[in-house]
Amino acid sequence: EVQLVQSGAEVKKPGESLKISCQGSGYTFTNYRIVWVRQMPGKGLEWMGNIYPGDSNTRYSPSFQGQVTISVDKSINTAYLQWSSLKASDTAMYYCARGGGYSDYWGQGTLVTVSS
Amino acid sequence: EIVLTQSPGTLSLSPGERATLSCRASQSVSSSSLAWYQQKPGQAPRLLIYGASSRATGIPDRFSGSGSGTDFTLTISRLEPEDFAVYYCQQYGSSPPLTFGGGTKVEIK
Repeated sequence: EVQLVQSGAEVKKPGESLKISCQGSGYTFTNYRIVWVRQMPGKGLEWMGNIYPGDSNTRYSPSFQGQVTISVDKSINTAYLQWSSLKASDTAMYYCARGGGYSDYWGQGTLVTVSS
Repeated sequence: EIVLTQSPGTLSLSPGERATLSCRASQSVSSSSLAWYQQKPGQAPRLLIYGASSRATGIPDRFSGSGSGTDFTLTISRLEPEDFAVYYCQQYGSSPPLTFGGGTKVEIK
């Protein structure tokens, strides 16, 4: 069974750093891109970027380029999304999903709350 | 960047009725690379349709997708109680970013 399991909810202060994770199982992890999607409270879905675990090739949306870093550790089938300096506006639910085009499997989401 | 505009914003219907959701692209979506997702409160999105008209695994046949170029439609032939949710379209035919529409909420009338 294909599964993407994300790390738990985080509460951080502005300016802090954060790295959240997404572990895949039940399929060949290196064969499919992992995408990160943001959903701000009460809002729609935003495509942030994706990574190909096979060679770590990464693509970003211009809206998120330079704001976040997407990485992968294929030895443990895990993709990451990280911030070096969080802002209150980063408060959102973050989903990982499988697929470089459409996404057929999704993680359960990681809620990130940034508040002083 | 391709902008997707979904309409209507909210659709108020009764169980058993037909729902027709629209997704219009700012430029042609290549190879009909258009997907539809369903999202219920507190849940992750679920893939319904890909390639504009192919149902994902396990999706009931009351869901159907159609369209090409810049105009796409998701139709739910007879609404079941579990179908009341928010629906998003997504295009994946162009270079990143792969964009989502703003969503259509299907609510119980």
